[in-house]
Amino acid sequence: DGGITQSPKYLFRKEGQNVTLSCEQNLNHDAMYWYRQDPGQGLRLIYYSQIVNDFQKGDIAEGYSVSREKKESFPLTVTSAQKNPTAFYLCASTQGGSTGELFFGEGSRLTVL
Amino acid sequence: QKEVEQNSGPLSVPEGAIASLNCTYSDRGSQSFFWYRQYSGKSPELIMFIYSNGDKEDGRFTAQLNKASQYVSLLIRDSQPSDSATYLCAVGLYNFNKFYFGSGTKLNVKP
Repeated sequence: DGGITQSPKYLFRKEGQNVTLSCEQNLNHDAMYWYRQDPGQGLRLIYYSQIVNDFQKGDIAEGYSVSREKKESFPLTVTSAQKNPTAFYLCASTQGGSTGELFFGEGSRLTVL
Repeated sequence: QKEVEQNSGPLSVPEGAIASLNCTYSDRGSQSFFWYRQYSGKSPELIMFIYSNGDKEDGRFTAQLNKASQYVSLLIRDSQPSDSATYLCAVGLYNFNKFYFGSGTKLNVKP
């Protein structure tokens, strides 16, 4: 079945540690996105990528980094520079640019201890 | 100013009633409009999308778009307890190929 796989689903991190969240899609979509969601809030765009080896900052990119070395993979690293990283992270992809439906992974919940 | 604004709710309606959810957006370059449903702890799932002014119906759901007023709405007819969730309005910006989301409206359908 086609879809987006995020891992891990739950992650605990100590302050000062970098962590990487995995996102893999087998939908053959060109565009991929990372969003952050805080309790009772909507989704805020961290980074997005339209093609391999290219990506753009979203509205809250500080403290995060990404790579897009393969079409199907778009990992997100939460660095120690991110001051408040505890959140629900969602990876999404679409084929149709901004007119197409966003398909979401199941999300990764990061908790900083 | 936020790109997409929604009333956070909660909006409470009795079972069988019509639920009306509203959304306004600020960027006139927006070209695509989406409603997602999100259950607690889960990822969003698409309910409706609309690109042109007017109404679009799909089963119990109707999306309404008014680009002049920069306003999008979602009507849910014959509301069911299973419709209880947070509804996210999203807007696609053509020039930047990205999507902005509102903070969501929590809907409670009471049996």
